Amino acid sequence: GAVVSQHPSRVICKSGTSVKIECRSLDFQATTMFWYRQFPKQSLMLMATSNEGSKATYEQGVEKDKFLINHASLTLSTLTVTSAHPEDSSFYICSARDRGVAGELFFGEGSRLTVL
Amino acid sequence: GENVEQHPSTLSVQEGDSAVIKCTYSDSASNYFPWYKQELGKGPQLIIDIRSNVGEKKDQRIAVTLNKTAKHFSLHITETQPEDSAVYFCAASPILTGGGNKLTFGTGTQLKVEL
Repeated sequence: GAVVSQHPSRVICKSGTSVKIECRSLDFQATTMFWYRQFPKQSLMLMATSNEGSKATYEQGVEKDKFLINHASLTLSTLTVTSAHPEDSSFYICSARDRGVAGELFFGEGSRLTVL
Repeated sequence: GENVEQHPSTLSVQEGDSAVIKCTYSDSASNYFPWYKQELGKGPQLIIDIRSNVGEKKDQRIAVTLNKTAKHFSLHITETQPEDSAVYFCAASPILTGGGNKLTFGTGTQLKVEL
């Protein structure tokens, strides 16, 4: 099946720094990628929809200046957590849909962010 | 918007028994219903999906049923094994052209298969 690679898998940073997470579709082109946040023992919460070549669409309550999303190519989207604080510590997961296949969504392995 | 409810939140079965997880959705426009398995510290993995033009789909020990009239769908795992232990999420979305449709997830079911 299709593969979505996410990097880094774990990152620890100091409060106030910025962290970038990459999401790559390895064997297909993804016009759209999605970024989710997951707290322990909870479901996935959609943060934003990343569209190649255009601005991301953010869900209600998600600060676009806090969570910068860039989707510069059909195989790469990045999420930058700016001026991270301990409450930003979470599991961030990206997903992508093959532009040639309707419906099926593939997920990355997730990135565990810990802000000290 | 879409709202997906999932039950039970936890499920414990004996190895070899069957496990059933149920979900309901609210938006009649939804026509794509995937199920994901998530192991600890990993991203969700698609295990099976169903589209609204069929009522049942089976893949070895896993099956999914869909009742569009009642707006509910279920995951059935037969002959459960310890490696089936994980969190399972149902989801729903409409299928739109261009791949831009987004999934709404259920709240998850922690399945534990005991020896």
